[in-house]
This record gives sequence, C-alpha cells and structure tokens, in this order.
Amino acid sequence: AIRMTQSPSSLSASTGDRVTITCRASQGISSYLAWYQQKPGKAPKLLIYAASTLQSGVPSRFSGSGSGTDFTLTISCLQSEDFATYYCQQYYSYPVTFGQGTKVEIK
Amino acid sequence: EVQLVESGGGLVQPGGSLRLSCAASGFTFSSYWMSWVRQAPGKGLEWVANIKQDGSEKYYVDSVKGRFTISRDNAKNSLYLQMNSLRAEDTAVYYCARDALTVTKGFDYWGQGTLVTVSS
Repeated sequence: AIRMTQSPSSLSASTGDRVTITCRASQGISSYLAWYQQKPGKAPKLLIYAASTLQSGVPSRFSGSGSGTDFTLTISCLQSEDFATYYCQQYYSYPVTFGQGTKVEIK
Repeated sequence: EVQLVESGGGLVQPGGSLRLSCAASGFTFSSYWMSWVRQAPGKGLEWVANIKQDGSEKYYVDSVKGRFTISRDNAKNSLYLQMNSLRAEDTAVYYCARDALTVTKGFDYWGQGTLVTVSS
C-alpha cells in the first residue's frame, strides 16, 4: 500500500496567516491526490482533487500543488472557519490511502 | 441536493455481524462508484471498500478482506456493507461517500456517518 505522510501533524496559526501543509507519498502517484477538511463531529469535505483543482464552492484561498510524490495544500489567508483537521488522500492505486491528518489550531 | 444517509450502526460483540446501509438521493446513484470510509475514535480516515456502478468490481483494504462485503442495489439507490467476524479494531464511524463517475476526482459527497462499536 502507498503510505501518505503529512507534515506537520499539527500547527498553531493566527487568522490571516498563510499556512502550508505537506503530503508525501511513498511512491509516485502522478496527480491522483485529494485534500479534505474535517471539523469535529462532521464528515470530511473535499477541497481539492487532481492535486490542484479546486472543488466547486471551495474558497479560492485554498490551493494545492505538486505531482509525483510531493504535494502541498496552502491556505493563503487563514479564516476562523478554517481551523480544522486536513487530510490528503491518494487514489492512484488500491488500497486508497489517507495521510494521518494535520490539525490546524488557533494560536 | 445530493444526500447520503447511513444507518445500521450499533453495539455488537466481537465475532458478531452487522449490516450498514447508505440511502442515496439527489443524483443518479447508478452512475457512480461508491465507497465506504471509516474513522476510529480520535483517529484518522481509513478507506474500507468501493464498488463499481454495476457491482462488477469491488476493492477492499486488506484488514477487512474476507470479513466485509460491499454491495449495492441501484433500484433502491442504496449501498451496503456487510460486516462479519467483527473485531474491536473495527470500532469506528463508518461513512459512505460518492466516488467516481468515470475518473476519480476525490470523494465529493459524504454521509453523516454511523457509529459501529465492537465490544463485549
């Protein structure tokens, strides 16, 4: 199985900050990568697919980049509603796998 | 409006069985791959299984192979997960999610989840 490793596991940031989360795949996955946001007690929400394509309705402050093994999710100007846990997911091969998550907390 | 509503969770003893259901509405269910994803308490997301539009292809994570069976009934717009030989480590919230139409573009809709607790 392809292992997805996110860093950092958690971070503290302030509203207005630029935040970057990294996801590394244990082998090349082309651009078959998605990012999700999850708030406590809620289902995950798709933010980005195909590494850099913004899902409909997702604010433009979210962006994704990368291909192969290294990917990033950037939140350009953190808003209060962005404090949550973020997961990357590869769907290049079975089994589909997720990163362990990055919790974005209020500083 | 796309809706996915899971049901069937509950408390079950180790070695027991449970069948989860996911009722879909607001889209052409028969046109999409569908997935189950679970999340153990306080842990991350784990993909469990998915199924092709016509049920002809199914894939599972290794930890559930031979114990779980994914199925669907397109006439009823419903997805199922039959879980047998349950273990404590299967305790989780189980989500159904809409998968690919043709090429996967992430899981764009999720249900609210149903909690499965495996304990004596």
